[in-house]
Amino acid sequence: AQTVTQSQPEMSVQEAETVTLSCTYDTSESDYYLFWYKQPPSRQMILVIRQEAYKQQNATENRFSVNFQKAAKSFSLKISDSQLGDAAMYFCAYRTGGAQKLVFGQGTRLTINP
Amino acid sequence: DAGITQSPRHKVTETGTPVTLRCHQTENHRYMYWYRQDPGHGLRLIHYSYGVKDTDKGEVSDGYSVSRSKTEDFLLTLESATSSQTSVYFCAISESKTSGVQETQYFGPGTRLLVL
Repeated sequence: AQTVTQSQPEMSVQEAETVTLSCTYDTSESDYYLFWYKQPPSRQMILVIRQEAYKQQNATENRFSVNFQKAAKSFSLKISDSQLGDAAMYFCAYRTGGAQKLVFGQGTRLTINP
Repeated sequence: DAGITQSPRHKVTETGTPVTLRCHQTENHRYMYWYRQDPGHGLRLIHYSYGVKDTDKGEVSDGYSVSRSKTEDFLLTLESATSSQTSVYFCAISESKTSGVQETQYFGPGTRLLVL
């Protein structure tokens, strides 16, 4: 069964600095997708970034980028120039190419210190 | 933002009573999903739908049923609510491309359910 592990229950960073959130996954599939979702106190699940496993280039969305290491089954999220609005729970998620469900990690709570 | 609404947003009910949660979308997406979120578990799939009247089970489907009579509405029913079903419930939608690969899932605002 596929599993997703986020080993950092909590992280904190100073405003304007860079922080990296870790995620590892376990799969025997070759076709899959990886996602980072943000959940602020409002509880809304917001897509931050996605990565297709067949793409070697790491995905980037403004201040958010990923370090996708397929052989190591690692998918970390880097947030640059952290802002107070980045404070939230961050969930890593995995989906195979043909499956209907997302498999989520347990989440990392990110605090931004002013 | 994807046009997804959930109702009710909050509900308190008693053990043994039936409860129905509604998810409504304005995106005309084919796929709809129900997840539950509990501390320490992230989100887990309850049921999903791949078209009108077409549904299938997820990993935590026991005690839940679903129905989809229209593209825009996906209902989740707890036939007889139990305290273990106290949770936050999220609806999600996605669209399949012509290649058959489902696109990213977008989530509704969630429903907080408390079963006493």
